[in-house]
Amino acid sequence: GEDVEQSLFLSVREGDSSVINCTYTDSSSTYLYWYKQEPGAGLQLLTYIFSNMDMKQDQRLTVLLNKKDKHLSLRIADTQTGDSAIYFCAESRLSGNKLVFGAGTILRVKS
Amino acid sequence: EPEVTQTPSHQVTQMGQEVILRCVPISNHLYFYWYRQILGQKVEFLVSFYNNEISEKSEIFDDQFSVERPDGSNFTLKIRSTKLEDSAMYFCASSDSRGNNYGYTFGSGTRLTVV
Repeated sequence: GEDVEQSLFLSVREGDSSVINCTYTDSSSTYLYWYKQEPGAGLQLLTYIFSNMDMKQDQRLTVLLNKKDKHLSLRIADTQTGDSAIYFCAESRLSGNKLVFGAGTILRVKS
Repeated sequence: EPEVTQTPSHQVTQMGQEVILRCVPISNHLYFYWYRQILGQKVEFLVSFYNNEISEKSEIFDDQFSVERPDGSNFTLKIRSTKLEDSAMYFCASSDSRGNNYGYTFGSGTRLTVV
């Protein structure tokens, strides 16, 4: 079955690194995504990783994928107050085109 | 940067009324989707649409729901007789592939409140 789990809340100080974790169950997942949702706004794609990769870096964002453990993480370096938002992990399968989302992790950045 | 546009941003309707949520996908995209997010819960897939027909739908997408692409630009979600539990944020999305390369582009959502 398809299930994506995330921790609900993370609080960090400005300038620290944030690590948001996600686990998924579907071994046929081909793409894994991180979306950001600011209050009252839509879903903004931050980054994605293909399942045959184990790491992807994009400026302050680093995605790590452990396919054996079905574990995905998003690291935000030098976290800023503007990074405060809800972060959703999502996956899609080769055979389908829908996204399956986690419940979202609320990131709170304290100045 | 191209956007997916949704209107209205907020709709209040009485229980039992029909509502139509509107979306203008990105112009060269071929796949269209509706998702919903009940307050505090996960974003859930409702339906995908390609080549003028539904390609996949979830259990949530029952006979109360329908989608349509009435012209070359709009993509609508109709809820025939709204229930209180239909209150949610509804997101439209579009992609130019089957969503497996770089995800979709989402609209900002329509917040539907059923009273």
